[in-house]
Amino acid sequence: QVQLQESGPGLVKPSETLSLTCTVSGGSISGYYWSWIRQPPGKGLEWIGYIYFSGSTNYNPSLESRVTISVDTSKNQFSLELRSVTAADTAVYYCARLFTKRWFDPWGQGTLVTVSS
Amino acid sequence: IVLTQSPGTLSLSPGERATLSCRASQSVGSSYLAWYQQKPGQAPRLLMFGYGASSRATGIPDRFSGSGSGTDFTLTISRLEPEDFAVYYCQHYDSSQGYTFGQGTKLGIK
Repeated sequence: QVQLQESGPGLVKPSETLSLTCTVSGGSISGYYWSWIRQPPGKGLEWIGYIYFSGSTNYNPSLESRVTISVDTSKNQFSLELRSVTAADTAVYYCARLFTKRWFDPWGQGTLVTVSS
Repeated sequence: IVLTQSPGTLSLSPGERATLSCRASQSVGSSYLAWYQQKPGQAPRLLMFGYGASSRATGIPDRFSGSGSGTDFTLTISRLEPEDFAVYYCQHYDSSQGYTFGQGTKLGIK
């Protein structure tokens, strides 16, 4: 059974770069699409972007200028970088597998990232 | 495509039937939609997916069902169990617009 686990700093300063890694266990990262989604406290879900195991990516147009998602198949991991963060980027960040490239399943447990000085 | 869920909050008792709505601002391609359940402090969990969001994900009990097409979709929980009280989101994928979520319906205990 595939499981995902997010890791990275829980506090990032404004204007700096948010960096998170998602480690996939119980299955291979190869052959699938993998995604990042975020949820500001008390609010709804926002798709950030996805990466195919081969490295091709697609991003939410509203975040595209600040986002990079990368993959390391040797470590069974994929990563998120969000540059020039502000308080509006404070959220729980989830990684998830894209099932048939349409649906998110399963999800990691999520990690709260707070942007504050 | 904008997904609008209604009601925003629904208060029901265990054993009752719940009907949650997700309306799209334009027709959903191939009527593909998904529903997720999110409990406090947990990640969302895929409940229903596919055409009319009528396919149950692995391990989802058959009291959950989905239906709809075009712009109107419904998630029905036939008899509410205590563990069903949560927030529910609908979601759509479009190859040109990416992935969008509804704003959620909170299903609370009456």
